[in-house]
Amino acid sequence: TQLTQSPSFLSASVGDRVTITCRASQGIGSALVWYQQKPGKAPKLLIYGASTLQSGVPSRFRGSGSGTDFTVTISSLQPEDFATYYCQQVKNYPLTFGGGTKVEIK
Amino acid sequence: EVQLVESGGGLVQPGESLKLACEASGFPFSGSSMHWVRQASGKGLEWVGRIRNEANSFATAYGASVKGRFTISRDDSQNTAYLQMNSLETEDTAIYYCTLPEGGGDSFKFNYWGQGTRVTVSS
Repeated sequence: TQLTQSPSFLSASVGDRVTITCRASQGIGSALVWYQQKPGKAPKLLIYGASTLQSGVPSRFRGSGSGTDFTVTISSLQPEDFATYYCQQVKNYPLTFGGGTKVEIK
Repeated sequence: EVQLVESGGGLVQPGESLKLACEASGFPFSGSSMHWVRQASGKGLEWVGRIRNEANSFATAYGASVKGRFTISRDDSQNTAYLQMNSLETEDTAIYYCTLPEGGGDSFKFNYWGQGTRVTVSS
């Protein structure tokens, strides 16, 4: 199952509302995970089951979608949110990741 | 506290082999499946493969780009998972992470990751 993320690059300011999209090549129900990765670090789990916030993740992150179209929205971008975001489908093997969305400071 | 520590990375020439290890602690390793994910420099994440637990016959699965060249194994007595990489290619150059999944079905996710070990394939 291919995952297409958009945009691949996003420039935004602190306080902005940001939305990242992930589209699956076939229906995957809600088997979609979002990760955040900062340079030199392992990915960090943000959202699983398409919309369930991992414990400890700020409520400004929100995941939605099902089937083939998914989004993660950051309601008010904070300095610590500048990072690269990846979606991952966990419905079918081989597991696959989206190409990533780099969120940079405008 | 869950800890995953990868080791074994290094510089090898194309065609050579390398074996990575992932030593785990802080959870019941023998009952868990273990996965490997890699990331080439400046690139995205790529799932490499996984091994299930004994109750699931230690079943393995691999990504298309490594199938037939890489083998995942485990030693439950040592709480360690391994990634044997043969016939290495320059495209295998990456940081290799081991990950511990949680949940099942739509709630499956990688909540725990090691720090990664760097593999460089170059002549």
